[in-house]
Amino acid sequence: QTVVTQEPSLTVSPGGTVTLTCGSSTGPVTNDHYPYWFQQKPGQAPKTLISDTTNRHSWTPVRFSGSLLGGKAALTLSGAQPEDEADYYCFLSYRGARPEFGGGTKLTVL
Amino acid sequence: EMQLVESGGTLVQPEGSLRLSCVASGFTFNNYWMDWVRQVPGKGLAWVARINGDASLRSTVDFAEGRFTISRDNAKNTMYLQMNRLRAEDTAVYYCSRGPMDRGVASYHHYGMDVWGQGTTVTVSS
Repeated sequence: QTVVTQEPSLTVSPGGTVTLTCGSSTGPVTNDHYPYWFQQKPGQAPKTLISDTTNRHSWTPVRFSGSLLGGKAALTLSGAQPEDEADYYCFLSYRGARPEFGGGTKLTVL
Repeated sequence: EMQLVESGGTLVQPEGSLRLSCVASGFTFNNYWMDWVRQVPGKGLAWVARINGDASLRSTVDFAEGRFTISRDNAKNTMYLQMNRLRAEDTAVYYCSRGPMDRGVASYHHYGMDVWGQGTTVTVSS
């Protein structure tokens, strides 16, 4: 059973920078896992922030960026805003196996 | 504007059946993989199933194998999830989502979602 790991919770100050990570029990995360990042606020559907490691969508604020960092996928928020308080999920593809979501990171802006 | 609208969620008894629908608009439906994702109340997201553009390829998560069937009708821009032998643990919000563009073999192991519906709630209880 493949496990995708995320920090359960993180806190960032308004205007600050925070990096969320996404690891895989199978080894280093690479571009071949096509990492995605989603934001979900209470009572709402998820919203896709980043596709394929680094690609922002037209609706993604520029303060969000995706990368690979130390064998993990990473989502960096630079200049946190109060409205960024949400749950964040990563998602990885696996060759020959089912894809997996991470358990989610609850981000507090405080 | 790209949009996905789910319907069909309701209260159903254990061992019952239900069919969810997802109507797409604002993009060329048959060019994309489509997925179902669910979320148990208070828990995280879980991928359920996907289907390719011409419905020739489908895959389903282990817990749904043999019980859930994904399908699509490109003439109606609609995707479906037929759920049989439902269990209490299937209680969740079910989201329809658009996957990557179907590029054939090159996209077989490329999963992901960029557009999401608002979700439809399935409750399995007696």
